[in-house]
Amino acid sequence: QVQLQQSGAELARPGASVKLSCKASGYTFTNYWMQWVKQRPGQGLEWIGAIYPGDGDTRYTQKFKGKATLTADKSSSTAYMQVSSLASEDSAVYYCAREERRGFFDYWGQGTTLTVSS
Amino acid sequence: DIQMTQSPASLSASVGETVTITCRVSENIYSYLTWYQQKQGKSPQLLVYNAKTLAEGVPSRFSGSGSGTQFSLKINSLQPEDFGSYYCQHHYGAPYTFGGGTKLEIK
Repeated sequence: QVQLQQSGAELARPGASVKLSCKASGYTFTNYWMQWVKQRPGQGLEWIGAIYPGDGDTRYTQKFKGKATLTADKSSSTAYMQVSSLASEDSAVYYCAREERRGFFDYWGQGTTLTVSS
Repeated sequence: DIQMTQSPASLSASVGETVTITCRVSENIYSYLTWYQQKQGKSPQLLVYNAKTLAEGVPSRFSGSGSGTQFSLKINSLQPEDFGSYYCQHHYGAPYTFGGGTKLEIK
């Protein structure tokens, strides 16, 4: 069965960078886009971007260009998102989700909570 | 970018009632509209895709409709497990914007 296992909660300092992971299993990792979504406390869902592990192609929404960097390791079926120059507004839960071929997100990870605090 | 306007932002209803959530889109997305359900502290879950197709395991009391720029999600005979937040999202090409969400609470 398809599973997306995300890394544990992170506490980071303002100005630092953090790299979150999403390990996929139960399907061919390289054949599906992996999406990343942000959710601030009490707020809605915000699309960050996506990566196609098969060739490393990436897409970002304008707001997250330069803030988030998506990579993927085919050997371990793991997608990564690095968030840089951390500020308080980066404190959120970050989800990875698999994009089904018809474009919707059919499987989601459990989320990683990032807290930015000095 | 395509804008998604979801209403209402919050909704209070009783078990057994029928509710409708709407999603208005800034441009024609045909039927490339998805609905997700999110319960408190949990990940979103796929509910409806292609505007009206129920995801596997979703009860038939849920139904999606609409095309173009106007969509709706209807829940008949609300059950206790239906309370939570609902989000629409288009899947008509990146960036995949979400609606602001509807929080469905027990009256």
